[in-house]
Amino acid sequence: DVKVTQSSRYLVKRTGEKVFLECVQDMDHENMFWYRQDPGLGLRLIYFSYDVKMKEKGDIPEGYSVSREKKERFSLILESASTNQTSMYLCASSNQGAGANVLTFGAGSRLTVL
Amino acid sequence: DQQVKQNSPSLSVQEGRISILNCDYTNSMFDYFLWYKKYPAEGPTFLISISSIKDKNEDGRFTVFLNKSAKHLSLHIVPSQPGDSAVYFCAANRYSSASKIIFGSGTRLSIRP
Repeated sequence: DVKVTQSSRYLVKRTGEKVFLECVQDMDHENMFWYRQDPGLGLRLIYFSYDVKMKEKGDIPEGYSVSREKKERFSLILESASTNQTSMYLCASSNQGAGANVLTFGAGSRLTVL
Repeated sequence: DQQVKQNSPSLSVQEGRISILNCDYTNSMFDYFLWYKKYPAEGPTFLISISSIKDKNEDGRFTVFLNKSAKHLSLHIVPSQPGDSAVYFCAANRYSSASKIIFGSGTRLSIRP
């Protein structure tokens, strides 16, 4: 059963802490994504990667960075967590190419910043 | 600028009846539209898609209708079942852009007995 795995389901961090959210996919997908989900706002793209070491900013990249050193792994980094980064974070992957871009999502990581 | 809008935050439907979830978009350049379903504490899962060159796509109990002139699509679920209770997200993307997937804000569907 193919999947996208997010290592931490629930995290509680303090303001100013550095936070790492890890995501691994086993489908050999080229594309990987980080979204955050907030009530009434839907899913908003933070960062996108289409290849190892390649990344593009999404709609809300401020306060975040990403790392993709291996094809299967895409990490989201909050350099200095703030309370407005309390949210559900969703990692996703998809095949390279055009067309209906069907995403496979992980189960999500709920981050609370105190 | 919200390019994909789901104006109904919630919807309650009786079991066995039809559920109709709506989505409006503003960008006529979108080539594909997708629906995802999300249960609490899980990631969204892909449900059904439609190309902009079609006006209907059906998969079992799920049918998506596209009205390009109105920039409107809808998801019909017939008959509605308790397991359909979830949040449904509408999404759209262009053929040439793997990263530019725009999601709506979601509609919470509740199926009552």
